[in-house]
Amino acid sequence: EIVMAQSPATLSVSPGGRATLSCRASQSVSRNLAWYQQKPGQAPRLLISGASTRATGFPARFSGSGSGTEFTLTISSLQSEDFAVYYCQQYNNWPPTFGQGTKLEIK
Amino acid sequence: QVQLVQSGAEVRKPGSSVKVSCKASGGTFSSYAFSWVRQAPGQGLEWMGGIIPLVEKTNYAQKFQDRVTITADESATTAYMELTSLRSDDTAVYYCATRHGSDSYYLLVSWGQGTLVTVSS
Repeated sequence: EIVMAQSPATLSVSPGGRATLSCRASQSVSRNLAWYQQKPGQAPRLLISGASTRATGFPARFSGSGSGTEFTLTISSLQSEDFAVYYCQQYNNWPPTFGQGTKLEIK
Repeated sequence: QVQLVQSGAEVRKPGSSVKVSCKASGGTFSSYAFSWVRQAPGQGLEWMGGIIPLVEKTNYAQKFQDRVTITADESATTAYMELTSLRSDDTAVYYCATRHGSDSYYLLVSWGQGTLVTVSS
């Protein structure tokens, strides 16, 4: 199965700052890469699909990029509601697999 | 807007089984592809298996192959996940999730609220 590795495990950023989260796949997943946002006590919520397509309800400060094995989620001008855990997931190959998550915390 | 509503929290003893339901609304049942994902306390997301009702196909992660059964009832617009031979490390929140329309089967667009399963003697 494809192993997804996220870095860093924890990222501390000040409100108004910029966060860059990375996700690496052990083999190519083309652009079949999703990002999910999870807040405490809530279910995950789809944020990005197809590596770069924002889901309904998420503002333009969220952007995704990459293809193949290297992917990035960038959140510009961080707002208080953006501090959460972010997971990447590949859905190119069976079984679908998740990264271990990056916790974005307030600095 | 597809909505998934899961059954309530469960407490089970080691060695027993649990069956969690996931009722879908707001879409076409034949277009769904349900996945079950679990999250142990303080841990990440783990895909367990899924079902594609349209083609009556199920598949399971190797780790759960021998203990999980996923089914779907179109008349009830509900998917089910049964896990047997429960152990303490099966204590987790179990989520159902599904694609929308003709998305990839494993792109998890809509999620249920989660069901906490606690395994304790």
